[in-house]
Parts: sequence; structure tokens; C-alpha cells
Amino acid sequence: EVQLVESGGGLVKPGGSLRLSCAASGFTFSSYSMNWVRQAPGKGLEWVSSISSSSSYIYYADSVKGRFTISRDNAKNSLYLQMNSLRAEDTAVYYCARDSGYCSGGSCYPQYFQHWGQGTLVTVSS
Amino acid sequence: DIQLTQSPSFLSASVGDRVTITCRASQGISSYLAWYQQKPGKAPKLLIYAASTLQSGVPSRFSGSGSGTEFTLTISSLQPEDFATYYCQQLNSYPITFGQGTRLEIK
Repeated sequence: EVQLVESGGGLVKPGGSLRLSCAASGFTFSSYSMNWVRQAPGKGLEWVSSISSSSSYIYYADSVKGRFTISRDNAKNSLYLQMNSLRAEDTAVYYCARDSGYCSGGSCYPQYFQHWGQGTLVTVSS
Repeated sequence: DIQLTQSPSFLSASVGDRVTITCRASQGISSYLAWYQQKPGKAPKLLIYAASTLQSGVPSRFSGSGSGTEFTLTISSLQPEDFATYYCQQLNSYPITFGQGTRLEIK
């Protein structure tokens, strides 16, 4: 059974940092692109970042570019999101999600997000 | 960036009704569109991918259609468990974007 379990959320002050983790199991983690998607309280879904299976291709939403860094450790079956210079508008539930797409010829081609974690809440407030 | 606009944003319907939700893309995305269902406090659940392919295990009352810039999600006969929020998602190009959501409530 595919499982994605996020951790690392919490309360942080504006300007602070936080590192989220997503532990994967039940599938060959190193074969799949992974994503972070967030949802502010009472709002819709917002894609945050994607990383290819070998970390060769990385993409960010403009809203987090330069502040957030996605990474993965295939040996540990883990996905990470390092969040720096946090703002109040970063307050959200953060989900990791497995992509069924592929990368080829210098680009990645996402397909759909079949599996999601349960989410971890990040609150940015003084 | 590709914008997705869902309509309606809110829908009130009864058990047994047939409902349709529309998702319009600001530019052509071929069939690179997925639909998700989300219930309060839960992660989104994939319903449809590639615009019209039903995800395994999803009831056949759900169907998707469209290509290019206009897409629809149809629920043929609403069941009590279908009352939730629905999102479309484009995967034609980065940044990946979602529609604003359609909240489906019981009349």
C-alpha cells in the first residue's frame, strides 16, 4: 500500500524557517517525481514545487521561488521542503503528492497526482 | 501561467441529481487535465485524469470530457458521499495550476 506521511509542520514567526519531510513507503520511491501542494485555511489548492525522480529537474511556483527548496533522498525514501523567509501567507496545510509523470529530453511531463499524504500544518504568525 | 476557471463555484443539488462542473483553461492544454474530490480535513482524491480516464476504484457515475480549453466533470446520479469540493488541475506545463474549486452541497 502506498503511504506518504508528512511531518515537520508547526508554528513559526515571520522570517523564520522550517523543514518539512515526507516519508514514502509501499512503492519504488526513486522511480517517481514528487510534489508539494499547499492549501491555506478555507482556500483552494496551490501547487508549490516538483522534483524529478533523480532530482535532475526542479520546478517552483513563483510565490515561493528563492525562499523554498525542494529535495529528496532516494536512499531514505524521503522528500523534503526547506522553507526560509516565511511569511504569513505561507500559512497552510502542506501535502506531498506522488506524480505519475516522467522526464525526458530536458523536460518533465507531469501526469496526475494519484497519491497524497495527510498533510502537515504550517502556521506563520508572531 | 495557465489559469483555470471553474464554474459554478458553488452548487446546491439533491441526491439523485445529475450535475456538471465546467473547467476552462486560459490556453489550450490538450487533455492534460485531472479532477480531484476533497472532503473537509482530508487530502484530495484523484477522480479523473487525462481529461476523461476514470481512476481505478472511482464509481462509474463520475465521468470527464473535453480537450483544449473546455472540460467538464459530470456526476450522473449524486450520492450522499459525493457532497464535497471538486478541483480541476492542469498538467500541460509548469507551473501546475488548479481551478479555484466547486463546492457541492446538499439542497
